[in-house]
Formats: sequence, structure tokens, C-alpha cells
Amino acid sequence: AQSVTQLGSHVSVSEGALVLLRCNYSSSVPPYLFWYVQYPNQGLQLLLKYTSAATLVKGINGFEAEFKKSETSFHLTKPSAHMSDAAEYFCAVSGSARQLTFGSGTQLTVLP
Amino acid sequence: NAGVTQTPKFQVLKTGQSMTLQCAQDMNHEYMSWYRQDPGMGLRLIHYSVGAGITDQGEVPNGYNVSRSTTEDFPLRLLSAAPSQTSVYFCASSYAQQPSSYEQYFGPGTRLTVT
Repeated sequence: AQSVTQLGSHVSVSEGALVLLRCNYSSSVPPYLFWYVQYPNQGLQLLLKYTSAATLVKGINGFEAEFKKSETSFHLTKPSAHMSDAAEYFCAVSGSARQLTFGSGTQLTVLP
Repeated sequence: NAGVTQTPKFQVLKTGQSMTLQCAQDMNHEYMSWYRQDPGMGLRLIHYSVGAGITDQGEVPNGYNVSRSTTEDFPLRLLSAAPSQTSVYFCASSYAQQPSSYEQYFGPGTRLTVT
């Protein structure tokens, strides 16, 4: 069984500030981990994925995430927020099967 | 490549009506799936398929049917719509063979309202 917990359903940051979105997972097998972004009225777009090659994963739009096995975490960060980063972000885990289990999402607001 | 396409974009149904949400992909992906998205609950898996002729249930399959007669298409049928099925529905696809390719590609969604 696998599960994902995203801490904070809403996060607000000022433009130019650090973005930190938290994700903790549970998986009985070595996990594959993903971050997806959803802009209003659109589908989900892959930001980045962890597939055991490297613990620090770089994605699109300046985002990165670090896999920490000891903490069962996969937090998403971006050094400097931009107004265009405002969206909903989903963390997801895939174990031995192909099914993705999603967290409940974090709505990111960027304040001018 | 059109990627994953879904029709319709919006639909309003009355309780008890049936309908089919269409999903197609042109990437020759073996794995296809249907999710529903509800506020505060993320995406929940309804049904999935690992290839033509093979389907299985996900987390919330009740009230929905699927079939997979071709690699490209994976329609979702609502048998008798209920207000609890008001949601946004997403279809997704991916390669099935390589774990590193489990990333799924999502369609734009169908927003369904049942009155």
C-alpha cells in the first residue's frame, strides 16, 4: 500500500521568495515519486520525477525536489517565486504497480 | 502528436441519465487510466487498463464501466448518473513496461455536473 501526505493545502509566498511545498510518502517498496502542476482549468503537467537515479531532482520552470529516504519526504522547492507559479501542485507516488496515488494538493498563491 | 484528448470538455446530466466520456491517445501507450478530481481530495483512480482487452478497478470504481478495445481509446461510461458523480474527470496514459516511465500524461479533463 502507498499513500501521500501534502502538508498545507494553501501556501502563500511573496514574489521572489523561496517556495517550499511539503510531501511525505508511505510505500512498502522503493517508490517512484512525482510532482505535477495544475494551472486553472487545465490538466496536470509533470514538473519532475524521482526514479532512484539521483536524490536531487531538477524539473521544469526552476523547480527541484530532494528525495530523503530517512524522512520519507520529497519536498518541492524553488529559490525565487514568480507570479506565473501560482497553481495547484500535486505530489504522487507509484510503487510496484503502475498506479499513481496522489496527495490532496497544495494551492500556491504568489503575492506581488 | 495530439497527446491525450478528452471529449466533451463540459457536460450536464440529470440524475439517472447515462453517458460516455471519451479518451484517446496517440502515443502508443499501453497503460491508460481514469481519475476523478474533487476539491481537497486530489485525484482518485477509477479504472485502469494495461492494454487492449485488459481493464481493472481502481480506488473508486462504483457507478462506472470501462472497456479497451484498441490501444488508442479508453472510454468511461456512467451507467446511471448520480449527483455524487459531479466532478472533473481526467484520463491519463503512460508506457507500461519501464518503471522509470511510469510518469503519466494527462488529458485536459471533462467537467461533469449531475443535477
